[in-house]
Amino acid sequence: DAKTTQPTSMDCAEGRAANLPCNHSTISGNEYVYWYRQIHSQGPQYIIHGLKNNETNEMASLIITEDRKSSTLILPHATLRDTAVYYCIVRVGGGNAGNMLTFGGGTRLMVKP
Amino acid sequence: GAVVSQHPSRVICKSGTSVKIECRSLDFQATTMFWYRQFPKQSLMLMATSNEGSKATYEQGVEKDKFLINHASLTLSTLTVTSAHPEDSSFYICSATGPTGELFFGEGSRLTVL
Repeated sequence: DAKTTQPTSMDCAEGRAANLPCNHSTISGNEYVYWYRQIHSQGPQYIIHGLKNNETNEMASLIITEDRKSSTLILPHATLRDTAVYYCIVRVGGGNAGNMLTFGGGTRLMVKP
Repeated sequence: GAVVSQHPSRVICKSGTSVKIECRSLDFQATTMFWYRQFPKQSLMLMATSNEGSKATYEQGVEKDKFLINHASLTLSTLTVTSAHPEDSSFYICSATGPTGELFFGEGSRLTVL
């Protein structure tokens, strides 16, 4: 799986949008961009994923650049409960491809009142 | 959505004893499950891939005789840390691929070896 690069940490004011960037310049054509987050002492939680089109669900929006070399996860109205480590992962979608899953360092998002 | 559950969530044991951690897929069948280990302030590291009905595949550097994995059914994989030592203290997390391709993770099991 392609390697990803994320900022180590970010701060965001409560109620504002949190924009978390991720670089994945070596992504292959069949690799999806997945985002997970991990709240302290819990297992990672799936947020969203996409291949090339922008995606939105009840948790977040995912913006993928046209060349697919980077993406941004957007939490539209961050709350204190969104404080967590956010992982951007690229992997072949579907099936049992998770054995190739590689977690990078992630971005530690701190939402402040 | 698909749920993966781990048990126990916390366990404390004496050095030299063995500890078993269970990972269950609650509403879907998982032919493959994955075990990760996470040390404090570090990211998740894949330890092994658990395959139903066959031997697990271990990542480089992970001792298969120390971390025994059994995947006897389509909904249950177990990780047994044998002869645990303080350096095995960690957060162990399992995951499974859901019906539509997403990876779902368990809540994690924190092992403390005294």
